[in-house]
Amino acid sequence: DGGITQSPKYLFRKEGQNVTLSCEQNLNHDAMYWYRQDPGQGLRLIYYSQIVNDFQKGDIAEGYSVSREKKESFPLTVTSAQKNPTAFYLCASTAGTSGTYNEQFFGPGTRLTVL
Amino acid sequence: AQTVTQSQPEMSVQEAETVTLSCTYDTSENNYYLFWYKQPPSRQMILVIRQEAYKQQNATENRFSVNFQKAAKSFSLKISDSQLGDTAMYFCAGSRANRKLIWGLGTSLAVNP
Repeated sequence: DGGITQSPKYLFRKEGQNVTLSCEQNLNHDAMYWYRQDPGQGLRLIYYSQIVNDFQKGDIAEGYSVSREKKESFPLTVTSAQKNPTAFYLCASTAGTSGTYNEQFFGPGTRLTVL
Repeated sequence: AQTVTQSQPEMSVQEAETVTLSCTYDTSENNYYLFWYKQPPSRQMILVIRQEAYKQQNATENRFSVNFQKAAKSFSLKISDSQLGDTAMYFCAGSRANRKLIWGLGTSLAVNP
């Protein structure tokens, strides 16, 4: 079945540690996105990538980093510079890169908790 | 700048009844897309329905329909014959052609038996 997988489902981090959240899609989509979701704040865009080896900062990129070495993979690293990383993280993808709209498909999410 | 506003943080409805969720999308663009997404307790985000701004006909997907009033910047979601499985957070979002989505803060809908 085609879709987006995120791992792990739950992640615990000690303060000062970097952690990497995995996002893999087998939909052959070009664009991928990372969102952060906090209670009462909806979804906020962290980073997005329209094509392999290229990515752009979203609205809240500070303290995060990404890479896009393969079309199907878009890992997100939460660095120690992120002051309040406890949140729910969602990965999404769309088929197109320009022109017409394409639906965003979402993974099941990763819940990150800083201890 | 684009903004999406959902003015109803919480709503409830009795099973089998109809409920309408409100959303306004403020943009200076002429060509854009509007969406309603559903996030049930599992937290999996699911597209419910979408509307292209250039289409005059309102979108419909089974029990879900939208009332798109372009001049008023209004994009409401109507759920008919509400079911217990409709209990979820509902997010309104908008974008230009394949650009990043702008999200509202969500409406928590409870369907009561």
